[in-house]
Amino acid sequence: GAVVSQHPSWVICKSGTSVKIECRSLDFQATTMFWYRQFPKQSLMLMATSNEGSKATYEQGVEKDKFLINHASLTLSTLTVTSAHPEDSSFYICSARSLQGTTEAFFGQGTRLTVV
Amino acid sequence: AQSVTQPDIHITVSEGASLELRCNYSYGATPYLFWYVQSPGQGLQLLLKYFSGDTLVQGIKGFEAEFKRSQSSFNLRKPSVHWSDAAEYFCAVVSLSNTGKLIFGQGTTLQVKP
Repeated sequence: GAVVSQHPSWVICKSGTSVKIECRSLDFQATTMFWYRQFPKQSLMLMATSNEGSKATYEQGVEKDKFLINHASLTLSTLTVTSAHPEDSSFYICSARSLQGTTEAFFGQGTRLTVV
Repeated sequence: AQSVTQPDIHITVSEGASLELRCNYSYGATPYLFWYVQSPGQGLQLLLKYFSGDTLVQGIKGFEAEFKRSQSSFNLRKPSVHWSDAAEYFCAVVSLSNTGKLIFGQGTTLQVKP
C-alpha cells in the first residue's frame, strides 16, 4: 500500500528558531501534498496545498511567510516553521495524493512540535 | 458550502457491543467520503471510502459504512467492538474542487469499556 513517512515524529525547539518537517511518499509519486495542523482534541485544519514544482496554496489565515512549504520533488515536501513561538506548538500532519489522480490521499504519522 | 458534521463528540460502548458513528455531509454533488481512525499521537489511517457504486462499503478492521443520499449520511458501523478500537474517528469529504483536499468532521472519540 501507499506509505507516507513524516520526519521527525516529535521535536522540541526554542522560541525564535526554525524547524523543518519532512513528508515523503515512499512508494509512489505525489503530485500534491497537503499540510494539516491539529490542536488537542480537535479536528484537522488544512494549512496549505503544495504541488510539485510550484508555489503552495495557503488557506485563509495561514501565514505563508511563517509556514514555508517546499515541494521540490514528486516524493518530498517540507514544512518549515520559521521563528517558532509557543503558540505554534501543535501536531502537524501531511498527506500525499498519488500521480494517478485518484482522490485518495495517504497520511503521514504526524509531527508533534513543542516550542519552549 | 461543503461541510461534514459528526454529531457525537464522545461515545462510550462496552466491548463486544455494536457501534455506530454518525456522519452527515453537505455537498453540491455526489460526494467522495472517507472514514479515518487516529490513535493518540499518530497520523490517520483510512478505514474505508465511498466513491460510487454499492452504498454499503466494507473497510478494514471489521468496519462498514452505508452511504444514504436521502439522509446525507455516511454512518460508520461495527457489529462487535474490541478494546483496541478506542480512538478518534474522523469522517471526511473531498472538496468539490477535487484537488484531493479533505474537509473533516469534528471527530468522535470512542471509548471502549471492558
